[in-house]
Amino acid sequence: GDSVTQMEGPVTLSEEAFLTINCTYTATGYPSLFWYVQYPGEGLQLLLKATKADDKGSNKGFEATYRKETTSFHLEKGSVQVSDSAVYFCALTLNNDMRFGAGTRLTVKP
Amino acid sequence: GAGVSQTPSNKVTEKGKYVELRCDPISGHTALYWYRQSLGQGPEFLIYFQGTGAADDSGLPNDRFFAVRPEGSVSTLKIQRTERGDSAVYLCASSTRVNEQFFGPGTRLTVL
Repeated sequence: GDSVTQMEGPVTLSEEAFLTINCTYTATGYPSLFWYVQYPGEGLQLLLKATKADDKGSNKGFEATYRKETTSFHLEKGSVQVSDSAVYFCALTLNNDMRFGAGTRLTVKP
Repeated sequence: GAGVSQTPSNKVTEKGKYVELRCDPISGHTALYWYRQSLGQGPEFLIYFQGTGAADDSGLPNDRFFAVRPEGSVSTLKIQRTERGDSAVYLCASSTRVNEQFFGPGTRLTVL
């Protein structure tokens, strides 16, 4: 079935380091792809999305490009901040439900 | 306007009891989703409503789980004869389009 696999955490980085969290998907059709973020004590928030191949989603300095040829949607940020510490979830939707990865916990140290 | 709200925020119950979890979606959102998130995992789809009807309930784990949305707005997830394995955070989301789901803060259910 349709599924998402994302890089296992936890990931610990120093402030201003470069971030990559890998995400690959398996789908029978052409899904929409998402990154959600869950800050400590808060609910899931949409970070960015892409709805078709080669689309790039971006928000708050984060970017991800929908790569159909590699079935990937890796999350990147050039310079992380302490406030980026959170759990990041890759997700896809094809029909009515959303399929999530297991989440990657990011901790950014000053 | 207000986001998706869920009540209660925490629920502790004993094994075998019945529980109801409530979701108030964003006003005007026709689609409503329930997910379950176990510790260290991503949310897992349970059921999807379009208006008053359950359009897809394929994620409900067994017949102890049931959800309703009688007026096409508020939804209630009902769990009968709770088991310890039901302990999780239950998330609700609403949307006007599949590509934009807005999540509530969740209800943390603990079954003792």
